Amino acid sequence: EDQVTQSPEALRLQEGESSSLNCSYTVSGLRGLFWYRQDPGKGPEFLFTLYSAGEEKEKERLKATLTKKESFLHITAPKPEDSATYLCAVQALVFGKLVFGKGTKLTVNP
Amino acid sequence: EAGVTQSPTHLIKTRGQQATLRCSPISGHTSVYWYQQALGLGLQFLLWYDEGEERNRGNFPPRFSGRQFPNYSSELNVNALELEDSALYLCASSLDGSTDTQYFGPGTRLTVL
Repeated sequence: EDQVTQSPEALRLQEGESSSLNCSYTVSGLRGLFWYRQDPGKGPEFLFTLYSAGEEKEKERLKATLTKKESFLHITAPKPEDSATYLCAVQALVFGKLVFGKGTKLTVNP
Repeated sequence: EAGVTQSPTHLIKTRGQQATLRCSPISGHTSVYWYQQALGLGLQFLLWYDEGEERNRGNFPPRFSGRQFPNYSSELNVNALELEDSALYLCASSLDGSTDTQYFGPGTRLTVL
């Protein structure tokens, strides 16, 4: 069964304090790994798609990387507005279905 | 470009009733997906519709059903509501069934009393 585990469950950072979120996965055949950001009571906002080991993508203070067993979301010099829950999801060979982890709740204090 | 829209924003029902949730995909997208986000459980895949057909279904009972209309909008129906159906129901759309990136709407908060 396809599974996604995210760690830590919660992370508190001071503004400017860089860190990384982890997403480990087991999947029958990976079509893609996705990162989303979700604010309370809202729908997930798409951040990145990664397709193969070694791939990296960047957007502002965020950088996502992928290996054969896990992905990292690196946050450089975070700001309070980066506070949100970050979700990781995988899509296996079965079309359509995304399998999500439970997320990492990030709080950035000013 | 307008994003995925969902209605209603909130829905309150009592146990045993039926709920109908609606979703309009991004213009040009033909695939629609439904997910349930219950407290503490994360997003769980419910249904995938593409070109009017149900393509895949998650591990949910048959009282969860839906359809996709010719304009690609979609409806999720939940019959015989139970207390544990209380959750945020999220709709997502993608360009077509083979395109991976799914874009989510704001969700419908269903409360079952």
